[in-house]
Amino acid sequence: GAVVSQHPSWVICKSGTSVKIECRSLDFQATTMFWYRQFPKQSLMLMATSNEGSKATYEQGVEKDKFLINHASLTLSTLTVTSAHPEDSSFYICSARLVKETQYFGPGTRLLVL
Amino acid sequence: RKEVEQDPGPFNVPEGATVAFNCTYSNSASQSFFWYRQDCRKEPKLLMSVYSSGNEDGRFTAQLNRASQYISLLIRDSKLSDSATYLCVVGRLGDYKLSFGAGTTVTVRA
Repeated sequence: GAVVSQHPSWVICKSGTSVKIECRSLDFQATTMFWYRQFPKQSLMLMATSNEGSKATYEQGVEKDKFLINHASLTLSTLTVTSAHPEDSSFYICSARLVKETQYFGPGTRLLVL
Repeated sequence: RKEVEQDPGPFNVPEGATVAFNCTYSNSASQSFFWYRQDCRKEPKLLMSVYSSGNEDGRFTAQLNRASQYISLLIRDSKLSDSATYLCVVGRLGDYKLSFGAGTTVTVRA
């Protein structure tokens, strides 16, 4: 099946720093990539939809200036959490869409902001 | 109201038992339906798509009731390895976005 990687798998940082997370589709070109966030015992919440070469589309309530998304190629999207604060601590997961609705998920990045 | 609602469980069953659970969705325009499996601290993995006529994949059977807007998953002959959180996922037509339920936790005991 299609493989999606994420890097890093976990991050611990101080409050106020920025953290960049990479999402790569390893064996296919992804039309669209999605970024999700999941807090403990809660569902995955879509943060934004990322299309190569165009601006990301953010879900309601997600600050685009805080969560910067760059989709430089059909196999790479990055999410930068700017000036991270403890409340940004979460499990960030990306997915890549190949055809129709099928999304392949990366292994996730655990962010802990101290 | 949440777009996708699930009974969080947990469902605690012995090996070999049958376990079934549902989820409901609020958007009648939803067009695609899935069950994903998520193990502790891992990413979701697609278990199966759910079709209008219902479908089976080995020990797993999924049903869709569009009129009542619910989806079900039945696991027969439960294995220890079936212990996981099962996510009900609903897709919208056109933009390919998915909405996730919070998951139903199943624990299969020896």
